[in-house]
Amino acid sequence: DVKVTQSSRYLVKRTGEKVFLECVQDMDHENMFWYRQDPGLGLRLIYFSYDVKMKEKGDIPEGYSVSREKKERFSLILESASTNQTSMYLCASTRGNNNSPLHFGNGTRLTVT
Amino acid sequence: KQEVTQIPAALSVPEGENLVLNCSFTDSAIYNLQWFRQDPGKGLTSLLLIQSSQREQTSGRLNASLDKSSGRSTLYIAASQPGDSATYLCAVWGAGNMLTFGGGTRLMVKP
Repeated sequence: DVKVTQSSRYLVKRTGEKVFLECVQDMDHENMFWYRQDPGLGLRLIYFSYDVKMKEKGDIPEGYSVSREKKERFSLILESASTNQTSMYLCASTRGNNNSPLHFGNGTRLTVT
Repeated sequence: KQEVTQIPAALSVPEGENLVLNCSFTDSAIYNLQWFRQDPGKGLTSLLLIQSSQREQTSGRLNASLDKSSGRSTLYIAASQPGDSATYLCAVWGAGNMLTFGGGTRLMVKP
């Protein structure tokens, strides 16, 4: 079974802090994604990566950056956390073709106070 | 730009009923369509993936169909149980290698 692991289930951070959300997958997947999910807005893509050291902006990249130094790990960075970044953050991965299912982690509920 | 719509947004049924969840998409040039289940406060669990060349996929009490020409997919749940209560989302892989999600249908199965 594919396992996508997000390092924290719940995080509480203060405004202005730098925040790191970590995601690790164990199936050698090429593609990795970061989404945020908010009531009424659904899932929105923040950043994605098709390979090591490669990154692409999604629909809402402002205020975020990412790092993919190793194939199995994709990190989301909030450079200076703000209250409007309070959300559920979901990491996902899939193989590098268009025929494989997307697998999600359990999510990180981030609260910025 | 691909748009994915799920109707209804919420559904409540008594236990034992067979039910159908709907997903429609505007651009038929897709690679595949995937159905997910999400329990409150959790991530998404993949249920079924239908390739663009396929018409349906089955897993246990779940059956998903795909009609690309009309831009529709349905998820059929047979003999619903309270444990099926969750939000169900569909997502399509389309042009530009982009995945687009629907807004989800929140299902409640009452004992």
